[in-house]
Amino acid sequence: DTGVSQNPRHKITKRGQNVTFRCDPISEHNRLYWYRQTLGQGPEFLTYFQNEAQLEKSRLLSDRFSAERPKGSFSTLEIQRTEQGDSAMYLCASSLLRGVEAFFGQGTRLTVV
Amino acid sequence: QQQVKQSPQSLIVQKGGISIINCAYENTAFDYFPWYQQFPGKGPALLIAIRPDVSEKKEGRFTISFNKSAKQFSLHIMDSQPGDSATYFCAASARGGTASKLTFGTGTRLQVTL
Repeated sequence: DTGVSQNPRHKITKRGQNVTFRCDPISEHNRLYWYRQTLGQGPEFLTYFQNEAQLEKSRLLSDRFSAERPKGSFSTLEIQRTEQGDSAMYLCASSLLRGVEAFFGQGTRLTVV
Repeated sequence: QQQVKQSPQSLIVQKGGISIINCAYENTAFDYFPWYQQFPGKGPALLIAIRPDVSEKKEGRFTISFNKSAKQFSLHIMDSQPGDSATYFCAASARGGTASKLTFGTGTRLQVTL
C-alpha cells in the first residue's frame, strides 16, 4: 500500500498524559499536512510542512501541540498534557508541491478520558 | 469564523435520483474548490474539483456547478447509487489552485436508499 499511513489508528489516554502520532506520507510528496476532525465536522487545518520546514501553523495549534518532519520524510504530532477537548480524529495528508490533490490517511482517533 | 458553509447536513435520496449539496464561501481569495468523499473509518478522498475560471465541471456521474458572483458552488450526483452513501465535504483553498491548506465545510451525510 503506497498511500498515506498513520499510526496508531486509535489511542486512548488519560487527561494530562502526552501522546505522539506518526504519519508516513506518499514517498515523493513534498508537502505534508495535519488536520483535526471532530465528530460531525469537517477537517480543520492545523499545520503543514514543505519538506522538513514547517511553513504554517493554525491558531488551533496551541503551545501543547508540536509537529516535526525530520529529514522531510515522516512526521510526528505530539500533544502534551492532553485535555478532553483534544479528543478528535487527527488526519494527515500529503501532496506534491503544486499538487491539486491532498491524499489523506485513515487518521488517528484520540480519546482523552 | 466558518469560511465555507455547507448544506444540507444530511440528505436521503432514492436510488437513481439526483443528490445536490450546496456550499457558499466568503473569502474571495479562494481559487480552488474540491469536493471530498469520506466513508466511515476512512480519511477523505478527492472526488472532483473546480477552479473559478469555469462554471461547471463534470466527471462521470459527478458535476460541480460554480457561481463566482454568488460565491456558491454545488455538487450534483446523478443516478445516485447505494455505494454513494458517505459524507461529502466541500472545501476551498487560496493557494494558487493547489490543495494546500484546505478549508472544509461541515459535511453532508448522504444516504441512498433502494
